[in-house]
Amino acid sequence: DGGITQSPKYLFRKEGQNVTLSCEQNLNHDAMYWYRQDPGQGLRLIYYSQIVNDFQKGDIAEGYSVSREKKESFPLTVTSAQKNPTAFYLCASSIVNPTEAFFGQGTRLTVV
Amino acid sequence: GEDVEQSLFLSVREGDSSVINCTYTDSSSTYLYWYKQEPGAGLQLLTYIFSNMDMKQDQRLTVLLNKKDKHLSLRIADTQTGDSAIYFCAERRYGGATNKLIFGTGTLLAVQP
Repeated sequence: DGGITQSPKYLFRKEGQNVTLSCEQNLNHDAMYWYRQDPGQGLRLIYYSQIVNDFQKGDIAEGYSVSREKKESFPLTVTSAQKNPTAFYLCASSIVNPTEAFFGQGTRLTVV
Repeated sequence: GEDVEQSLFLSVREGDSSVINCTYTDSSSTYLYWYKQEPGAGLQLLTYIFSNMDMKQDQRLTVLLNKKDKHLSLRIADTQTGDSAIYFCAERRYGGATNKLIFGTGTLLAVQP
């Protein structure tokens, strides 16, 4: 089945460590996005990519990094520079001029 | 500003209509969306409207768009307990190299039996 998959569903990290969240899609979409969700703040855009080997910062990119080496994959690294990384992270994909974006089921990251 | 704004909470009784409101900021937005999020899950697209439309109806869902006031609403007829979720409006913004989907803060809909 076509879809977008995030893994893992739950992730725990010690303070000061980097961690990478996986996002894979088999929908043949060119564009992919990472959002962060915090209670009462909706979804905020971290990074997005419209094509392989290209990506752009969203509204809250500080402390995060991404790569887009393959069309299907858009991993997000939460670095130790991110001051408040505990959140629910959502990945999405779409065609470049879309009518909708498709979302993964999310990864809940907790820093302990 | 960049904000897409929604009220945080709405409570209705089962069988009543629900109306969730949203205000957006970019008059050049081409598409506006309503997404539904159930607890611990990703977002599911409910419906969208193109900016040259005033209204779109899809079964129990009615979307109204007032471009002059930059106001979008979602009406759910005959609300059921299964409609309890967070509802997000979103606008798509284009400009140069920019192609972003900007979300509102979300409205938690609680349906009382």
